Amino acid sequence: AQTVTQSQPEMSVQEAETVTLSCTYDTSESDYYLFWYKQPPSRQMILVIRQEAYKQQNATENRFSVNFQKAAKSFSLKISDSQLGDAAMYFCAYRSYNYGQNFVFGPGTRLSVLP
Amino acid sequence: KAGVTQTPRYLIKTRGQQVTLSCSPISGHRSVSWYQQTPGQGLQFLFEYFSETQRNKGNFPGRFSGRQFSNSRSEMNVSTLELGDSALYLCASSLGRDELGEKLFFGSGTQLSVL
Repeated sequence: AQTVTQSQPEMSVQEAETVTLSCTYDTSESDYYLFWYKQPPSRQMILVIRQEAYKQQNATENRFSVNFQKAAKSFSLKISDSQLGDAAMYFCAYRSYNYGQNFVFGPGTRLSVLP
Repeated sequence: KAGVTQTPRYLIKTRGQQVTLSCSPISGHRSVSWYQQTPGQGLQFLFEYFSETQRNKGNFPGRFSGRQFSNSRSEMNVSTLELGDSALYLCASSLGRDELGEKLFFGSGTQLSVL
């Protein structure tokens, strides 16, 4: 079974600075998807960024980018120019290509943004 | 376009009772999935429905069940409630195309407290 680990329960960053959230996962599969989801105090999970494992190029979405290291099974999220609205819980998630499986989420990292 | 709507937002029940939670997906979305979120276990997949059929199921006891109606609205039911069922229950919808990496849209959840 796949597992997702986020070793940083809490992180903080100064407004306008850059922060990196870590995620590692364990799988024997070669094809899969990886995601970062954000959960603000409203509780509504929002997709931040998505990466397909077969793509070597790291995904980027505006201020958000990932560092995907497939061999190391690492999938970190970098947030540049942090804003107060970035404060939230961030979940790393894995989804197998196997249709019989569904999302596996990490335990989350709580990010605080300091003014 | 209206987002994913979950009702009720908060619910208090006692042990042994049963509860029904409702989820209305985004218009045009045919897939609805349910997740349980607790501080101890994190986010765990419950089940997924597509076109009124359960397409995928997580590792939860039979007390947890769900269904999807022809208009894609979904309900989940928990019978014989236990204290450990206290959690935030999140619903997510997607187009349901045969693409495992497709974006999920989440509701704000139903916070269930079992006393």
